[in-house]
Amino acid sequence: EPEVTQTPSHQVTQMGQEVILRCVPISNHLYFYWYRQILGQKVEFLVSFYNNEISEKSEIFDDQFSVERPDGSNFTLKIRSTKLEDSAMYFCASSDWEWGNQPQHFGDGTRLSIL
Amino acid sequence: SQQGEEDPQALSIQEGENATMNCSYKTSINNLQWYRQNSGRGLVHLILIRSNEREKHSGRLRVTLDTSKKSSSLLITASRAADTASYFCATDAGRGQNFVFGPGTRLSVLP
Repeated sequence: EPEVTQTPSHQVTQMGQEVILRCVPISNHLYFYWYRQILGQKVEFLVSFYNNEISEKSEIFDDQFSVERPDGSNFTLKIRSTKLEDSAMYFCASSDWEWGNQPQHFGDGTRLSIL
Repeated sequence: SQQGEEDPQALSIQEGENATMNCSYKTSINNLQWYRQNSGRGLVHLILIRSNEREKHSGRLRVTLDTSKKSSSLLITASRAADTASYFCATDAGRGQNFVFGPGTRLSVLP
């Protein structure tokens, strides 16, 4: 069964550094998402992406964050200048239709640790 | 903003027993989904129920939706140790509204 893959599984970065988290969504999916889960807390929506542009974003997704689909397969989340509070699990998801009309398929996440 | 809130926060049962988890939300929704998350893994979609549906089954899972009470329940029958995980509800209120996950219920099924 096709799956969403994320790399790296764990990223350790110094505060203030830029980090890029990578995702390969399911190939025929059209909608892509990033979520964040701080340890022990709920999953929080960051951004959704469709047709090469952001369709929705949350208050968390400020100017420090950006997303890109640089080619036909990868979907990336960039954090320009990381802060300690950016430490969390970051999940990528994709779906073949928007929002909750269809299940979202999640990757296993990237654990981001900011030192 | 709308928000799914599950209860209980944690549930511990014996293998073979049924587990019931509840989710409440605040605003009108288009549909509601339940997800499972094993420790250290991503979320796995379990079931989607639309606002015009009242009950849905999938294997050992039974989901109900009461839009008048803005609540949903997830029942897992004949639980197994492998069902040990966190369970989240997520609500969708349509375009322009974030897809919102609740804080989850941690289910422990003891052998």
